[in-house]
Amino acid sequence: AQKITQTQPGMFVQEKEAVTLDCTYDTSDPSYGLFWYKQPSSGEMIFLIYQGSYDQQNATEGRYSLNFQKARKSANLVISASQLGDSAMYFCAMRGPSGGSNYKLTFGKGTLLTVNP
Amino acid sequence: DTAVSQTPKYLVTQMGNDKSIKCEQNLGHDTMYWYKQDSKKFLKIMFSYNNKELIINETVPNRFSPKSPDKAHLNLHINSLELGDSAVYFCASSRLGLAASDTQYFGPGTRLTVL
Repeated sequence: AQKITQTQPGMFVQEKEAVTLDCTYDTSDPSYGLFWYKQPSSGEMIFLIYQGSYDQQNATEGRYSLNFQKARKSANLVISASQLGDSAMYFCAMRGPSGGSNYKLTFGKGTLLTVNP
Repeated sequence: DTAVSQTPKYLVTQMGNDKSIKCEQNLGHDTMYWYKQDSKKFLKIMFSYNNKELIINETVPNRFSPKSPDKAHLNLHINSLELGDSAVYFCASSRLGLAASDTQYFGPGTRLTVL
């Protein structure tokens, strides 16, 4: 079975500063995908960034980057230059390869990020 | 232009009733999903359909029955609603659904409250 762990229930950051949200995972699959989603207080789930297990470079999408350390099984989300609108719950998720029992998307418990002005 | 839409957004009902939630995607995706988010914000997959075929069926009470009339629609019917069914239900879709890299896009959610 695959498992996602987000150890920070809540994080605070000052506006314009960078913040790292932690995510570790456990899987026996050699091939997998890692995802981050944002859930603002309005409730919708917004896809942010994806990292494949065989990708050589860390994924980046605008102010979001994924610090992927495969040996440590970590996939931390880095948000640069935080904005007030970044205040939200952030979920890390993973998915195993097709055909296997882990190809469903498994989510962590989330980290609630608050950006202070 | 909404990519994944769900109706209704809010659903308040009495215990024992039967209700349905509808989901539609206009992304041309082949795979659709239902997730349940509990009061602690934990998200768990319930079902997935690929081209109208059920491919994921997690341990969910059989009071929950998904129905996919075509690959753009996935409805969730719940019989004999219980207090513990109160949650936010999300529909999602993805292009293929059969690869680890396949990104899922979520609908706005339906908040179900059972009284």
